[in-house]
Amino acid sequence: EAGVAQSPRYKIIEKRQSVAFWCNPISGHATLYWYQQILGQGPKLLIQFQNNGVVDDSQLPKDRFSAERLKGVDSTLKIQPAKLEDSAVYLCASSLDTGPGEQFFGPGTRLTVL
Amino acid sequence: GQQLNQSPQSMFIQEGEDVSMNCTSSSIFNTWLWYKQDPGEGPVLLIALYKAGELTSNGRLTAQFGITRKDSFLNISASIPSDVGIYFCAGRRIQGAQKLVFGQGTRLTINP
Repeated sequence: EAGVAQSPRYKIIEKRQSVAFWCNPISGHATLYWYQQILGQGPKLLIQFQNNGVVDDSQLPKDRFSAERLKGVDSTLKIQPAKLEDSAVYLCASSLDTGPGEQFFGPGTRLTVL
Repeated sequence: GQQLNQSPQSMFIQEGEDVSMNCTSSSIFNTWLWYKQDPGEGPVLLIALYKAGELTSNGRLTAQFGITRKDSFLNISASIPSDVGIYFCAGRRIQGAQKLVFGQGTRLTINP
């Protein structure tokens, strides 16, 4: 079974530029999560989708971050404009449902903002 | 900010030694999970705990869901070089959103 796919794996941009990340979850997984992991910390949930609807985006900085999952499968996370403090690894995860099921993580995209 | 206190932050041990790490919270959690993250990879689930008092093993790994629902621990017996990595606890609270909250991680280094 293929795992969660993410691209790109690495991205370097200058502050105030825009960047987008892509995630393809495990086939059949209804729930998709985007996490931000700052160096030396655990992942922090940014947004959770159930199919193509948002379940939780309470920790998403909506002035600069946006995410969509239009067809209920793959998803994109965008940052516009980026700040230095956005440097982090952005992890995508998926699970079968929103209950106590396992979340499977992708390899992440490492973003460096200069 | 983080709601789970994980300790220790780092461990330096000899190959073959046993390892113990724990996670505590001021809030009650209804699920405790333990993940391992290797460099350049996403976290991989090791053990999931769903009931207070539950003790679960996965090979050389053993984890327990604390009776108070506010803590959990992970033990690794007879450590080997491939155990090197960062271990995270994560919990799902009874009240509020169903999202996972992660600890700060325990970095394990093993001297051969």
